[in-house]
Amino acid sequence: KNQVEQSPQSLIILEGKNCTLQCNYTVSPFSNLRWYKQDTGRGPVSLTIMTFSENTKSNGRYTATLDADTKQSSLHITASQLSDSASYICVVSDRGSTLGRLYFGRGTQLTVWP
Amino acid sequence: EADIYQTPRYLVIGTGKKITLECSQTMGHDKMYWYQQDPGMELHLIHYSYGVNSTEKGDLSSESTVSRIRTEHFPLTLESARPSHTSQYLCASSELRDRGSNEQFFGPGTRLTVL
Repeated sequence: KNQVEQSPQSLIILEGKNCTLQCNYTVSPFSNLRWYKQDTGRGPVSLTIMTFSENTKSNGRYTATLDADTKQSSLHITASQLSDSASYICVVSDRGSTLGRLYFGRGTQLTVWP
Repeated sequence: EADIYQTPRYLVIGTGKKITLECSQTMGHDKMYWYQQDPGMELHLIHYSYGVNSTEKGDLSSESTVSRIRTEHFPLTLESARPSHTSQYLCASSELRDRGSNEQFFGPGTRLTVL
């Protein structure tokens, strides 16, 4: 069964600190993995995308890693800011269907305190 | 500016009412999607469309219906709303031929509450 599991479910950190969010998946055949940021009451916005051959991708203070062998990904946030408070969703796409099926994790709810 | 819009953003309605959630995109995307999301839970695909006059049911069974008469417009309708329909509904779109990245662009969502 294709699944995406994220940990931790929630995380509270102080402003300026770093944090790492985890994502494990069983989706096969694998196409790509995205990390989305979803602010409260808003739709998800893509942060990074990685294909099978990529193992690191950065977008400003966000750095995503991918280990396709162990089917794990992480999102590292450096020097957190209050605006980083949001849900971070790991989304894995398969290449076995014309739709390009997406599998969503439940997200990690990050809260940054001043 | 290319974007994807949803109206209303919030809707509180009584049981038995008929409602339509609007979704429009200005990116010229062929594929459009409706997702349902409950707090702390993953997004569930309830409907999708490959283009005009194409509509398909998603993974999560839903009593809602959709139509795609124009490329840019993908409304969702509930004929008789019930409290179990209370949820957040997210609309998304993507390019038909972009199978490589499969990036979906999401609207801001409609928070529906049925009393």
